[in-house]
Amino acid sequence: QSALTQPASVSGSPGQSITISCTGTSSDVGGYNYVSWYQQHPGKAPKLIIYSVSNRPSGVSNRFSGSKSGNTASLTISGLQAEDESDYYCSSYTSNTPLYVFGTGTKVTVL
Amino acid sequence: EVQLVESGGGLVQPGGSLRLSCAASGFTSSTYAMSWVRQAPGKGLEWVSGISGSGGGPYYADSVKGRFTISRDNSKNTLYLQMNSLRAEDTGIYYCAKESVPGSVGYGMDVWGQGTTVTVSS
Repeated sequence: QSALTQPASVSGSPGQSITISCTGTSSDVGGYNYVSWYQQHPGKAPKLIIYSVSNRPSGVSNRFSGSKSGNTASLTISGLQAEDESDYYCSSYTSNTPLYVFGTGTKVTVL
Repeated sequence: EVQLVESGGGLVQPGGSLRLSCAASGFTSSTYAMSWVRQAPGKGLEWVSGISGSGGGPYYADSVKGRFTISRDNSKNTLYLQMNSLRAEDTGIYYCAKESVPGSVGYGMDVWGQGTTVTVSS
């Protein structure tokens, strides 16, 4: 099972919007509405920010939004803030072994 | 407060074994599937293994199948990962994580422990 494909890095200025893509296959991203997104600051555990493609857990800023089209999911961060500078990973349920597959990760830099 | 606390990491020689534990509190652990996720130094996240609330499954990544065994003791609210025949490429931080939806898998993992470090080296 190959990892989902994400851009290595994305950057933006404060207040701007950025979008991170996550490309998989019909066996994972395209086949299920079970895409989740995680934010991970250096030295910290991952934090769930989007589940089931577009749902935000309680307490997560509404500046984070998710969507999906075909085999590609996307995370959009609007009104970019300095605290958003972090690594972001997508993940999807997969019908193949293993149960979950993660993306390659994207480093977001706030200019 | 919902919390997961891992323990059991350490330095082990190639071919050796370790047993990781993950103590859960603040929720009924038997209701939720749980997973182990690891992160090699400077690398991304890799799902390792998962188990349903009742102990069903379990599920393994191909990279650990036949070497790692996941289990849980719901009476102790504890998840385990028995790791045998360890290799250098198993080095990393190991996180336990809780599924966000009771009785289901795949929706996402909403609670993570702080991680425990495993180093496989001679």
